[in-house]
Amino acid sequence: AQSVTQPDIHITVSEGASLELRCNYSYGATPYLFWYVQSPGQGLQLLLKYFSGDTLVQGIKGFEAEFKRSQSSFNLRKPSVHWSDAAEYFCAVSTGGYQKVTFGTGTKLQVIP
Amino acid sequence: EAGVTQFPSHSVIEKGQTVTLRCDPISGHDNLYWYRRVMGKEIKFLLHFVKESKQDESGMPNNRFLAERTGGTYSTLKVQPAELEDSGVYFCASSQVRYRLAETTTTQYFGPGTRLTVL
Repeated sequence: AQSVTQPDIHITVSEGASLELRCNYSYGATPYLFWYVQSPGQGLQLLLKYFSGDTLVQGIKGFEAEFKRSQSSFNLRKPSVHWSDAAEYFCAVSTGGYQKVTFGTGTKLQVIP
Repeated sequence: EAGVTQFPSHSVIEKGQTVTLRCDPISGHDNLYWYRRVMGKEIKFLLHFVKESKQDESGMPNNRFLAERTGGTYSTLKVQPAELEDSGVYFCASSQVRYRLAETTTTQYFGPGTRLTVL
């Protein structure tokens, strides 16, 4: 069965600083990978996804993620964080088709002035 | 295009009572999923409908939970009787069925969730 690990429960960054959120997955074949974000009082919004092809994927709100098969990782990055990016971020994996999505435990991002 | 909607947004009930959560998927999405997040833990899969049929209900915690999707449109999730450990946020998600486009089928769009508190 697939699994996802987000080692950082909570991260604090200064506004304007760069950001990298870590995600490691466990799955025997090529996974379908996602990053979702949940802002306070909001639902889960899809930031980006990786299915195949270019291992660097661009998402909404200036986020990008890089799939590294050798490290079983799918880290999320943003070059300059804005205060509105404060939220909880979830890495997720699917085996494809209509199969269920398996989530990590989430990383809470705090942005300080 | 309207997204996935869920009702109510919050529900506070006492132990032993019954609660029914509703999910309206994106129009045209035959796949509908229920997930739950309990007290800061990971979001976990509960079950999956394809139209009105239950495709996978392996994540349902016990027989106090009953999910239905009559007519293949909206879905309800009933908890009867509710226990303290049922507290959490219940998410609904939907996706299209496109047999030749894996990306379309696999991408699930989530609703805002229903926060359930059992006292």
